[in-house]
Amino acid sequence: DADVTQTPRNRITKTGKRIMLECSQTKGHDRMYWYRQDPGLGLRLIYYSFDVKDINKGEISDGYSVSRQAQAKFSLSLESAIPNQTALYFCATSDPLAGGDTDTQYFGPGTRLTVL
Amino acid sequence: GQQVMQIPQYQHVQEGEDFTTYCNSSTTLSNIQWYKQRPGGHPVFLIQLVKSGEVKKQKRLTFQFGEAKKNSSLHITATQTTDVGTYFCAGREGSTLGRLYFGRGTQLTVWP
Repeated sequence: DADVTQTPRNRITKTGKRIMLECSQTKGHDRMYWYRQDPGLGLRLIYYSFDVKDINKGEISDGYSVSRQAQAKFSLSLESAIPNQTALYFCATSDPLAGGDTDTQYFGPGTRLTVL
Repeated sequence: GQQVMQIPQYQHVQEGEDFTTYCNSSTTLSNIQWYKQRPGGHPVFLIQLVKSGEVKKQKRLTFQFGEAKKNSSLHITATQTTDVGTYFCAGREGSTLGRLYFGRGTQLTVWP
């Protein structure tokens, strides 16, 4: 959805570099998520935040950190990138109180990161 | 911890054939969601199932939630080339406010 934007859309970097991926949303949702997608492995949760003061580790948080600067912004950092962090990264938002209690996740367009 | 297993990983069908993907959880789920990701795109929400034994339909797509709320399926009747993509199930256990656990997805290819 255009309401969830990610920057950059593509990034090539070298091993050892610090990288920040940014996510912004205009949906007014409290919940935000970072996933990585690798072929055959589906969507794996890195970090999630249920509100500005809440940060939680997901399944694969090692090597990553996050910052929730505001309700609308959730950034993902790779402190020292390594080649096996090459993947497609998605940000998502949700609001469990919005319509029917479905807590639907709305995904951004993704950032394709390559670590050489 | 919570795991949601999804099979098959890949499915290739000829246009007009049916397709089914299955999702199984190691624990009882409070609800399950299904998403579709078109090639080069991002996952998009399709539907949520909440009740034991629930069946929902969206045109040629039929979604089922098992009686024990541990499994679910998505069945597409008479596939079309527009059905191409990866279908993910995502289960939530415990509170409806808890996080989702995604399956690995089934990648569907449809040839004319």
